[in-house]
Amino acid sequence: DAMVIQNPRYQVTQFGKPVTLSCSQTLNHNVMYWYQQKSSQAPKLLFHYYDKDFNNEADTPDNFQSRRPNTSFCFLDIRSPGLGDAAMYLCATSKGQGAYNEQFFGPGTRLTVL
Amino acid sequence: AQTVTQSQPEMSVQEAETVTLSCTYDTSESDYYLFWYKQPPSRQMILVIRQEAYKQQNATENRFSVNFQKAAKSFSLKISDSQLGDAAMYFCAYTRNYGGATNKLIFGTGTLLAVQP
Repeated sequence: DAMVIQNPRYQVTQFGKPVTLSCSQTLNHNVMYWYQQKSSQAPKLLFHYYDKDFNNEADTPDNFQSRRPNTSFCFLDIRSPGLGDAAMYLCATSKGQGAYNEQFFGPGTRLTVL
Repeated sequence: AQTVTQSQPEMSVQEAETVTLSCTYDTSESDYYLFWYKQPPSRQMILVIRQEAYKQQNATENRFSVNFQKAAKSFSLKISDSQLGDAAMYFCAYTRNYGGATNKLIFGTGTLLAVQP
């Protein structure tokens, strides 16, 4: 089945130790998104790629970066994780840019920072 | 700025009964879309139902229907004949057309629905 896959499902890192979260998709969608979902809060968009074009949200900390080496894969890099970065990170894809395009989500990676 | 508010952090319903989840939003746009997403425990978020703001008719998907009140900026989800598999976190979300730029979802904080057997 076509889907959005996130690895790992659970990630533990130490304060200040760089960490990379992975997302892959078999849907061949043009757009890939990364959301941060803290406990009891709404998912919040960090950034997205439309094809190779990267779009950062204005309030996304510089500590967060992303790479999309090809259509299928997208990575979220946290350069120096702080305790406040502990959250569920959701990857999503959509076929196109328009508002009518459904976003398809992965199961998320839960990040713990010790 | 657009905002989405879900005022019910938790809800409970008996199996086979009907439950309504509330959502309000704030926007000055006229062309936008509203969604209800379901996030089961440890599983991915999936789209339940979508409503285009220009459509007056309320969207329906099997046991799921919405009550879209555009003037009141209200978008509630009704689940009929509730099933155990409906237990999940439900998120209300909003997006609009960004004139050629990529659409962005704005989510509410979610309502955790429990279904009692």
